[in-house]
Amino acid sequence: NAGVTQTPKFRILKIGQSMTLQCTQDMNHNYMYWYRQDPGMGLKLIYYSVGAGITDKGEVPNGYNVSRSTTEDFPLRLELAAPSQTSVYFCASSYGDLNTEAFFGQGTRLTVV
Amino acid sequence: KNEVEQSPQNLTAQEGEFITINCSYSVGISALHWLQQHPGGGIVSLFMLSSGKKKHGRLIATINIQEKHSSLHITASHPRDSAVYICAVRSASKLTFGTGTRLQVTL
Repeated sequence: NAGVTQTPKFRILKIGQSMTLQCTQDMNHNYMYWYRQDPGMGLKLIYYSVGAGITDKGEVPNGYNVSRSTTEDFPLRLELAAPSQTSVYFCASSYGDLNTEAFFGQGTRLTVV
Repeated sequence: KNEVEQSPQNLTAQEGEFITINCSYSVGISALHWLQQHPGGGIVSLFMLSSGKKKHGRLIATINIQEKHSSLHITASHPRDSAVYICAVRSASKLTFGTGTRLQVTL
């Protein structure tokens, strides 16, 4: 069972470069999320989506963009990478919102130099 | 003060010991999640609970809604339990995460 798949697992970017973190899930989940995890901090929500065609900002959206053209895919775009975006990024999905289990991808470790 | 506080931050135990990790929160919640993050980085959901107690193998999670407190217990701990355990609370359609408890179980 694939679950939530993130690619790549690791990436080094130079300041000002762009990249897309890919996330796909095969559980037909409506809700998808992007989080970032910084050392010593709890995960912070970047963007989320409640279904195809619908996205909304989380706590820390600046510097990122998302799209949700299909139920399965929820890519995260960094347009002009900055050192402050060095972090570990997690994609997650859940069938519903309230009181439903969340499934996480394996994470993407991004370093911006 | 963070909305979700976990204690202890770090915990070292010997194999076989009974372990307790605590989570306190300050907001009204609809559910609380316990997650496990292994050294490889992936996050796995262990429990989701909104009242009472749940058990899965050697893991037990309890929650006291009135006291805004949850505990994760591990019985007969084993080195493979070494991981970071994260508490997250669901409130107003969002999840707020604690900073995690790093557990190391030694032989």
